[in-house]
Amino acid sequence: GQNIDQPTEMTATEGAIVQINCTYQTSGFNGLFWYQQHAGEAPTFLSYNVLDGLEEKGRFSSFLSRSKGYSYLLLKELQMKDSASYLCAVTDSNYQLIWGAGTKLIIKP
Amino acid sequence: GAVVSQHPSWVICKSGTSVKIECRSLDFQATTMFWYRQFPKQSLMLMATSNEGSKATYEQGVEKDKFLINHASLTLSTLTVTSAHPEDSSFYICSATTGDRHQAFFGQGTRLTVV
Repeated sequence: GQNIDQPTEMTATEGAIVQINCTYQTSGFNGLFWYQQHAGEAPTFLSYNVLDGLEEKGRFSSFLSRSKGYSYLLLKELQMKDSASYLCAVTDSNYQLIWGAGTKLIIKP
Repeated sequence: GAVVSQHPSWVICKSGTSVKIECRSLDFQATTMFWYRQFPKQSLMLMATSNEGSKATYEQGVEKDKFLINHASLTLSTLTVTSAHPEDSSFYICSATTGDRHQAFFGQGTRLTVV
C-alpha cells in the first residue's frame, strides 16, 4: 500500500530551528510537496521537490532523497505565526496526491 | 501563483437539504480538480477526482449519489452534498492542477454544518 509517515506533533522555541521529517512508500514518484495549514484554513503551498537535494526558500528549506524515500522541511528563525500543521504529500505514478497526516508544530516563546 | 476560488466559505443547512459548493480556477485552466474532506485534527481525505467533461472518479467509501460532482468546464467544478446529515458536517476543500500537474492549488475551503 501507499504510506506517508511524519511525526504527529513537535514543539520548538521562537527563534530556533526545527526539522520536520517525512518518509514515504508510494507507487511511483512524481514529486513531493510540503504544505502549511493553519487551523480552519486550507493548506498553502510551501515547497516542491522532484530531484534529490536541498531547495531553499527564505526561512524554509526542503530536502529530498528519492533513494531513501525521505524528505524534511527545515524552518529557521521560528516565529509564533509558524505554529501550524505541516503536511507532506507525494504524487504517485498516476499523479495522484498521497497525503501524510500532518505534523502539528507548536512554537513557544 | 494560480488562484482557486471556493464558494461559499461556510454554510449551515438543515438535515435533509442539499448544498452546492463551487470551485473555480480564476487564472488558469484546471484539467483536473480534486475534492477533499477534512475532519477536525485529521488530514485531508480525497473524496473524488474530476476531469473536465468526464465523470468523476470516487474514492472507495465515498457515495457518488450523495456527493455529486460536476466538472462542466476547465474553470469550474461543483460538489453537491445531497440529503445532508449531521455526520456530513466537515471542512470541504477543492484543489486544481495545471496542465503539468506539478502543483495543486487549493481553494479556501468550505465549512459545512448540518443541523
